[in-house]
Amino acid sequence: AQSVTQPDIHITVSEGASLELRCNYSYGATPYLFWYVQSPGQGLQLLLKYFSGDTLVQGIKGFEAEFKRSQSSFNLRKPSVHWSDAAEYFCAVGAWDTGNQFYFGTGTSLTVIP
Amino acid sequence: KAGVTQTPRYLIKTRGQQVTLSCSPISGHRSVSWYQQTPGQGLQFLFEYFSETQRNKGNFPGRFSGRQFSNSRSEMNVSTLELGDSALYLCASSPDPMSGQETQYFGPGTRLLVL
Repeated sequence: AQSVTQPDIHITVSEGASLELRCNYSYGATPYLFWYVQSPGQGLQLLLKYFSGDTLVQGIKGFEAEFKRSQSSFNLRKPSVHWSDAAEYFCAVGAWDTGNQFYFGTGTSLTVIP
Repeated sequence: KAGVTQTPRYLIKTRGQQVTLSCSPISGHRSVSWYQQTPGQGLQFLFEYFSETQRNKGNFPGRFSGRQFSNSRSEMNVSTLELGDSALYLCASSPDPMSGQETQYFGPGTRLLVL
């Protein structure tokens, strides 16, 4: 069965520090992977996606993610965090073998301290 | 292009009532999916519609239903509301699913509070 694990429920980083959010997935076929960000009371905004090709993908707001098939991981990174990055981050895997359905991780809440 | 819009944004109902939420997808998108988000359960898939047909359904009771119109707009209905139905309901739209590489674009959600 498809599933996504985000092992870190909450992460706190200092402004300007680097960030890495972990995501592991379980999916039988070639995965389509996504990272979304959600600010309080808002919907989900797409940060980046991986379908195929280059395993390092660039997204908006300076984020990037690397797909590692051998580790079933799709970790999100940012070299220098800004206070405005404080939000909830969700990793998702797209499964289209049974229709258009996304499986989401439980999310990682990011706090940025000045 | 305008993004996914959801109405209403906030809703307060009492137990036993029913509610209808609306979602207008991005122009040209034909697939609409619905998710329930709660602090305890996270993001859970409700159902997906494409060309006015429900193509996929999550593990929710029959009180949760939906439909899609010919213009791809979608509604979801929850009957006999329970306290546990209090949640943020998110709608997402995608382009032609036959492309096989769809990205879901989310609306701002409807916050439902059941008293």
